[in-house]
Formats: sequence, structure tokens, C-alpha cells
Amino acid sequence: GAVVSQHPSRVICKSGTSVKIECRSLDFQATTMFWYRQFPKQSLMLMATSNEGSKATYEQGVEKDKFLINHASLTLSTLTVTSAHPEDSSFYICSARASGVTDTQYFGPGTRLTVL
Amino acid sequence: GENVEQHPSTLSVQEGDSAVIKCTYSDSASNYFPWYKQELGKGPQLIIDIRSNVGEKKDQRIAVTLNKTAKHFSLHITETQPEDSAVYFCAATGYGQNFVFGPGTRLSVLP
Repeated sequence: GAVVSQHPSRVICKSGTSVKIECRSLDFQATTMFWYRQFPKQSLMLMATSNEGSKATYEQGVEKDKFLINHASLTLSTLTVTSAHPEDSSFYICSARASGVTDTQYFGPGTRLTVL
Repeated sequence: GENVEQHPSTLSVQEGDSAVIKCTYSDSASNYFPWYKQELGKGPQLIIDIRSNVGEKKDQRIAVTLNKTAKHFSLHITETQPEDSAVYFCAATGYGQNFVFGPGTRLSVLP
């Protein structure tokens, strides 16, 4: 149980284009989902927290207009990187917290974004 | 806010030996401490967790100990195998708070 999927697993795009990443909880309902970014050989950095049916909460320094988050259902959250630039190249990982659970997070497999 | 330190940053052990990774946290209100294993190019996988009302938890070859007074918790892996090689992250969180991750430990198990 507690499986989280992400799609796509890797994406290469041209500078200036937008990329959408999907995060799904496959066998549980997730009231809250989290988006992290991880640079090589570094720890996970929280970008934003998304709650189903409400606006996402962004961490300091993360541009909400650049990283659009939608959490339309209890099993799906999407992250759209708008007008991507090479510095946005990174490993993006989502996690989900089951409804009614206050702590445990289950992570997806990650999406490798490369912006040319 | 919470701050989590993790040591060592890299650890090499011989297959069959034990490995210990230690984390310290700063916020005494933190009450949940998970450990994640991340293999190259993959997302973190929860391997064990402990809550503040417990001092030790074990799952086969993996154990976690918590010292609330000293504000540190440790991951113990016994009888290490090559497939244990990965980066391990600890985290700390309190009720309603976000996870704060340690910087990670790269474990290499040498055959």
C-alpha cells in the first residue's frame, strides 16, 4: 500500500516552454501533497504544500506564478513549471500524506526535468 | 524553526558489518522522526519511523533509537548488504509542521 506515482519520469524541454508533472496517490486518498526539488547530491527542498480544493502554500523564495500547483482531487496534484529556463533543471519529487494522518509522507519516484 | 543535522555525510562499511547514522534536531516540539532511503535516480522510500512516545523501534535488520532529552535519533543497519548502498535521509516534524530533512548520508557497502 501507500504507492505514489509521478508522470513523466523524465522530460527534456526547450527554454521558454511549460512542463506539467502529475503526482498521483494510487491506493489512498491524500488530503495533502507536497512538492520538493532536489539538486544533485543535496537534500530535499520543500517548494510548496497543496491541499485538495484550496490554494497551495509556497515556501519562501519559490515563485508561485512560475510553479503552478493544482490539487483538484484527493488522488491527483499537478505541478506546472511555466516558462522554464535551464536553472529550473532539477529532480522534482512529490509526496502525499494520507487523509486523517498527521505525519507520514510517501514519496513518488521523481521527475527529472532538463531544460535546454 | 527546526534544524536537523546528520552525520556522517559518507559512510563505507564492509558487507556484513553494521552501519549507524545519527541525526540531531533542535525543536523539542518535534514528535515524528522518519528515515528514508534514496537510490540513485529514484524517490525517497520510507524505511522506518519513530514517534516521540517510543525510545526504540526495530524492523528486521533496521532499527531506530530516539533520545528525546539529547534531541538525537539514530538509524542502525545490521548485517549490511550491497543493496543497502544508497543515500539515507532523516527528518523531523511536529504536529502540523512540514518535514525538515537532514543533509543525507551516502552509505556504501563494500563486498
